Amino acid sequence: AQKVTQAQTEISVVEKEDVTLDCVYETRDTTYYLFWYKQPPSGELVFLIRRNSFDEQNEISGRYSWNFQKSTSSFNFTITASQVVDSAVYFCALSGIHYSGGGADGLTFGKGTHLIIQP
Amino acid sequence: DGGITQSPKYLFRKEGQNVTLSCEQNLNHDAMYWYRQDPGQGLRLIYYSQIVNDFQKGDIAEGYSVSREKKESFPLTVTSAQKNPTAFYLCASSIAGVSREKLFFGSGTQLSVL
Repeated sequence: AQKVTQAQTEISVVEKEDVTLDCVYETRDTTYYLFWYKQPPSGELVFLIRRNSFDEQNEISGRYSWNFQKSTSSFNFTITASQVVDSAVYFCALSGIHYSGGGADGLTFGKGTHLIIQP
Repeated sequence: DGGITQSPKYLFRKEGQNVTLSCEQNLNHDAMYWYRQDPGQGLRLIYYSQIVNDFQKGDIAEGYSVSREKKESFPLTVTSAQKNPTAFYLCASSIAGVSREKLFFGSGTQLSVL
C-alpha cells in the first residue's frame, strides 16, 4: 500500500519568514507521481505542482520551490518570504500505477499541513 | 469560465433522510470523483467515474451512491445508511482519469446532521 505522511499538522510563522512543508511518501511502484495542492479557506483545492518519479530536478516558481529526493522519499515544499495570502491547508499526494487501471483510485493524500501566516 | 460547480454550499440532513449533493463540470473532462474530508484528515475517495454510465467504488463507498448519466454531472447521494455523514464533500474532475493527471476541484459542500 502507498502512504503519504505530512508530519506537520500546523505551522505558524510571521509574514516574510521562509517556511518548509514536509512530505514523506511510501510506494512499491517505480513509476509514480507526486503532487502538491493548496486549500484556501474557500475550500477548493488548487493544484500547485506535479513531479514524476524520474525527474528529481528541483523546481522554483516565484516564491515557491520544491525539493524532490528519492533517496529519502521526500517531496518538500518551501515558501520564501511568506505572505498572508499563503495561509491555507497544503496537501501532498502520491499517485502510483500499481492500482487497477492506474486511475485516480491510486491517488493518496496526506493529512495536510495548516499553514498560518501572521501579519 | 470553465470549472466545477458544487451545490449547495451547506446542507443539513435529518435522521433517516437521504440527501443529494450536486456536482457539475463544464471542462469536458471524462473523469469525475467524490472525496470526503474530515477535520485534520486527508481526502478519502468515495466514488469515481471515468466514463458515462460507469463508476467505481473508492475506499469509503458504504452509505453513499452515485450516478453518471451525463458527462457533465456526477451527483452524490448520502443515504440513511451512512451513520456519520458530517463532513466536507469535494467533487473533482480530470481529463481522462489516469494517474499522472492533476485534479480540478469544486468549492465543496459542508454536510451536517440535525
